[in-house]
Amino acid sequence: SYELTQPPSVSVSPGQIASITCSGDKLGDKYACWYQQKPGQSPVLVIYQDRKRPSGIPERFSGSNSGNTATLTISGTQTMDEADYYCQAWDTSLGVFGGGTKLTVL
Amino acid sequence: QVQLQESGPGLVKPSQTLSLTCSVTGDSISSSNYYWSWIRQPAGKGLEWIGRIYTSGSTNYNPSLKSRVTILVDTSKNQFSLKLSSVTAADTAVYYCARALSGWGFSGYYYYYMDVWGKGTTVTVSS
Repeated sequence: SYELTQPPSVSVSPGQIASITCSGDKLGDKYACWYQQKPGQSPVLVIYQDRKRPSGIPERFSGSNSGNTATLTISGTQTMDEADYYCQAWDTSLGVFGGGTKLTVL
Repeated sequence: QVQLQESGPGLVKPSQTLSLTCSVTGDSISSSNYYWSWIRQPAGKGLEWIGRIYTSGSTNYNPSLKSRVTILVDTSKNQFSLKLSSVTAADTAVYYCARALSGWGFSGYYYYYMDVWGKGTTVTVSS
C-alpha cells in the first residue's frame, strides 16, 4: 500500500520560514494537499493540487511537489500557525494521509 | 455556506456495528459534483481515511476496513452514513465527515481533497 512519510516535528522561530516535507514513491506524479489541525479542532485545508490556496488561507502558505517530495512552506511563520499538519494524496482508489507533523513556533 | 454535522451513538459495544450519520446543510447532496467522505482519528494519533461515496452511490473504501465498512447516501434527507461492523477498541476514535472534490487536473493527475469538514464526533468502543 502507498505510504506518505512526514517528520514528526518541526520547530521554527516567529517570522522565519517553516518547511514541512511529505515523501512518497513518485509523489510528484500525484496531486498533494495539506491540512492544518489545531488541538480540539477539525482539519482545515490549506493547500490543494500541490500549490493552490483555498479562499481565506493566508498567502504565507505555499506548496510544491516534485520527484518524491511535496513541501508545505510557511513564510513569516506566526504563533497562530502552531498546529499539526497532514499531507494527503490519492493512490489507486484510496485516500492516503501522511502521519502528521507537529509545527512548534517558538 | 455548506456545513456538515456528524451524529450517532458515542458508545458502542465490542462486536456491534458503529452507525454514524452526516447531515449536510447549505447545499444539496444530490445536485453537487462532490464526493462525501469519512475519516477517523484515534486520540493523539493521525488521520485515517475510511472511504467515500458519490451521489450516484459509487463508493471507495480503505482496504484495511473494506470488509467491515458500508457508506450510503440518502438524498431525500441530504445525508450520508457510515456503518462499521464488528467493532473493537481499536475503532475508538473521533470520526469526521467531509466534502471532497475529485477529478483530473491539467497535469493529467487525479486530485482528491477535502475542503469542508464536520466538527467530528467521538465514538468509544467499550463494554
